[in-house]
Amino acid sequence: ETGVTQSPTHLIKTRGQQVTLRCSSQSGHNTVSWYQQALGQGPQFIFQYYREEENGRGNFPPRFSGLQFPNYSSELNVNALELDDSALYLCASSLGVAAGELFFGEGSRLTVL
Amino acid sequence: DAKTTQPNSMESNEEEPVHLPCNHSTISGTDYIHWYRQLPSQGPEYVIHGLTSNVNNRMASLAIAEDRKSSTLILHRATLRDAAVYYCILRDAGGSQGNLIFGKGTKLSVKP
Repeated sequence: ETGVTQSPTHLIKTRGQQVTLRCSSQSGHNTVSWYQQALGQGPQFIFQYYREEENGRGNFPPRFSGLQFPNYSSELNVNALELDDSALYLCASSLGVAAGELFFGEGSRLTVL
Repeated sequence: DAKTTQPNSMESNEEEPVHLPCNHSTISGTDYIHWYRQLPSQGPEYVIHGLTSNVNNRMASLAIAEDRKSSTLILHRATLRDAAVYYCILRDAGGSQGNLIFGKGTKLSVKP
């Protein structure tokens, strides 16, 4: 059974640029959630995708957007990057939207200069 | 989702039991109590969850107070690998979203 994998693991961007982060969910999982974790803080929910549709969103502006593909993999896109977007971005997969357990990847570390 | 309160940090000695407390005085009847932990440089990892009764699994035990306003995660024999940030999270069983609301958690240090 393959776990949740994320790419890239690290990347550096400059203010105003755009970034795409990718996530492959655990085999058989149809739900993907994205979280942002600033240094020293707990993860904050960005949004969730269930069967290719956005199924809930946290307090993040529209420049944070996502996609889920038929194979349940997912992308997180962030436009017009700001310095405060520097964080660890975590992807989690689960079976169903109210699943008991989320399986997290190791994250993508984004630095915005 | 209701809020939880945890100590910022705790210390333990290796091979001793660890009791990590969590207060959730505003818990509702449909809120499950979830625990996740995050080891350094890794994503969060599910530990255990429960509703009313105490729960055991291979990683830990969860003791839930009778009034459900508090709970305790019990690691029976701490190892160095258990050094992590532990998050206590309430999750509405009837919610349509899978989002978890993380606080700052408890940073557990384990001394050899």
